Amino acid sequence: EVQLVESGGGLVQPGGSLRLSCAASGFTFSSYEMNWVRQAPGKGLEWVSYISSSGSTIYYADSVKGRFTISRDNAKNSLYLQMNSLRAEDTAVYYCARRAVAGTGGFDYWGQGTLVTVSS
Amino acid sequence: SYVLTQPPSVSVAPGQTARITCGGNNIGSKSVHWYQQKPGQAPVLVVYDDSDRPSGIPERFSGSNSGNTATLTISRVEAGDEADYYCQVWDSSSDHYVFGTGTKVTVL
Repeated sequence: EVQLVESGGGLVQPGGSLRLSCAASGFTFSSYEMNWVRQAPGKGLEWVSYISSSGSTIYYADSVKGRFTISRDNAKNSLYLQMNSLRAEDTAVYYCARRAVAGTGGFDYWGQGTLVTVSS
Repeated sequence: SYVLTQPPSVSVAPGQTARITCGGNNIGSKSVHWYQQKPGQAPVLVVYDDSDRPSGIPERFSGSNSGNTATLTISRVEAGDEADYYCQVWDSSSDHYVFGTGTKVTVL
């Protein structure tokens, strides 16, 4: 069974840092492209970042570029999101999501999400 | 940046058909994916590549895409279909994924 489990969320002050993790199991993690998607309270989905299966290709949303860093450790079946210079508008539930191999790649599996709250 | 516009809400009676639109400039040239999200839960992929269904998704969910509008159609709507629905595309000009604004489907 495919499982994605996020961790690392919590309360952080503006300007602070946080590192999110996503532990993958039930599939060959190193073969899949991965993403982070966030959802602010009561708002819609916002794509945050993408990383290729090898980690060689990375993309970011304009809203986080220069502040967030996506990475992965295929030996540990883990995806990460290092978040620096956090702002109130970064408050959201953060999901890791697997890009499907089939077709052009919708996100076929999602974690349950981890809540990040940026507040003083 | 590429923008996807959805109606904020759609209401439908049980057994009827719900149609959710997703508007974007020449969206017909892109592959559209659709997600269902129920309160407090992670999104679920219900249609990918315009009209394909992942395993386990009922045939009542179908999709189409042409011109400037993609459409998710839910036939024979059930109470359990009440949820938020989002469209998504890959914008190759910016190397960004883009989600639509979301549509809340209410079953009357």
